[in-house]
Amino acid sequence: GAGVSQTPSNKVTEKGKYVELRCDPISGHTALYWYRQSLGQGPEFLIYFQGTGAADDSGLPNDRFFAVRPEGSVSTLKIQRTERGDSAVYLCASSHKGLNSPLHFGNGTRLTVT
Amino acid sequence: GESVGLHLPTLSVQEGDNSIINCAYSNSASDYFIWYKQESGKGPQFIIDIRSNMDKRQGQRVTVLLNKTVKHLSLQIAATQPGDSAVYFCAETFGTASKLTFGTGTRLQVTL
Repeated sequence: GAGVSQTPSNKVTEKGKYVELRCDPISGHTALYWYRQSLGQGPEFLIYFQGTGAADDSGLPNDRFFAVRPEGSVSTLKIQRTERGDSAVYLCASSHKGLNSPLHFGNGTRLTVT
Repeated sequence: GESVGLHLPTLSVQEGDNSIINCAYSNSASDYFIWYKQESGKGPQFIIDIRSNMDKRQGQRVTVLLNKTVKHLSLQIAATQPGDSAVYFCAETFGTASKLTFGTGTRLQVTL
């Protein structure tokens, strides 16, 4: 079946601009996660949704980052006033049961802030 | 596409040999562990998982070993193939925690 889909695959934006990154999880998966991966590093947790609500947003680096999942399926990660340090691959993952079950990742959105 | 992990530890093995990738995890309370494979330009791909009430679990061509005493996890790949070339990450979590914590990764290079 279809996996986790992320769009766009690449995004180049200027410093100070606003960006939205979209994630379409595997159908039926109630848990959705956003991670960020810098070059040479493992993915770092940003936020976790169970259904429509953000159950854990402790990984969001600051208030410029926000994510929503209004209908419990598609999620959007929003970054305001982008900075060059925000450049990274943003990965989305979903899982069937949430806690202590394997996460299935999309291929990510590569964000470059110039 | 851009490579994942340009400065990661690298393990080189010949095609057909067995590979062992090691991971030292950080949290003694962690009770669920996953190995992921990541190819360049792609997201991490689930390989195998293990819970802390086990010390070994086998899949197809892969085995995960867990040593909780020394907080060590290993991934064994039998008869390594060129398609196994990738960066491998271990990840851990505990209890009701929602987040996976990933290790730094190891690049596996399979030579012909």
